[in-house]
Amino acid sequence: QVQLVESGGSVVQPGGSLRLSCAASGFTFSNHGMHWVRQAPGKGLEWVAFIRDDGSNKLYADSVKGRFTISRDNSKNTLYLQLNSLRPEDTAVYYCAKANGWLPVSWGQGALLTVSS
Amino acid sequence: EIVLTQSPGTLSLSPGERATLSCRASQSIGNNYLAWYQQKPGQAPNLLIYGASNRATGIPDRFSGSGSGTDFTLTISRLEPEDFAVFYCHQYGTSPLTFGGGTKVEIK
Repeated sequence: QVQLVESGGSVVQPGGSLRLSCAASGFTFSNHGMHWVRQAPGKGLEWVAFIRDDGSNKLYADSVKGRFTISRDNSKNTLYLQLNSLRPEDTAVYYCAKANGWLPVSWGQGALLTVSS
Repeated sequence: EIVLTQSPGTLSLSPGERATLSCRASQSIGNNYLAWYQQKPGQAPNLLIYGASNRATGIPDRFSGSGSGTDFTLTISRLEPEDFAVFYCHQYGTSPLTFGGGTKVEIK
């Protein structure tokens, strides 16, 4: 069955950087686009970024464009999110999700990022 | 950006009752690329409906989706105790992808 396991969540100071990882198993990772979606404490879902199966196309929400970078290593079945210039409003649980086309179909359990001094 | 507005914000119902959740888009959603997710406390979202009306694998038939263009509905025909949760609509046809603000279905 599909398994997605996020890691790398932490407490980071404003202006800092962090890299989140998402280890995938149970499906052919290189055949699927992948998303990052976040959820601030007590709030709704916010789409963050998408990467195509071969990494050739990347999309970002305006709120993170220029600060976050999505990438993947198909040889390691791993998705990444590099987060730079972090702000308190980036505090959230970050979920990775397997996509069919652009549709998020399976989600990991999330990694908590807290941006605070 | 396509803005999705869900209503009501909270729905208070009893087990066995019918739940009707609305999702309205600020512009037409191409190919009806509209999905619904259920999220329980402390859990990741779970896909219920895609393409406005197609149930995802393993989703009971008491969940149904309908609508097109800008107006969409999720209906739960008879609420089971495990159905009480927050429900989000999501459009995946146009970047940036967007989610509605959610409807909480709570036990009355």
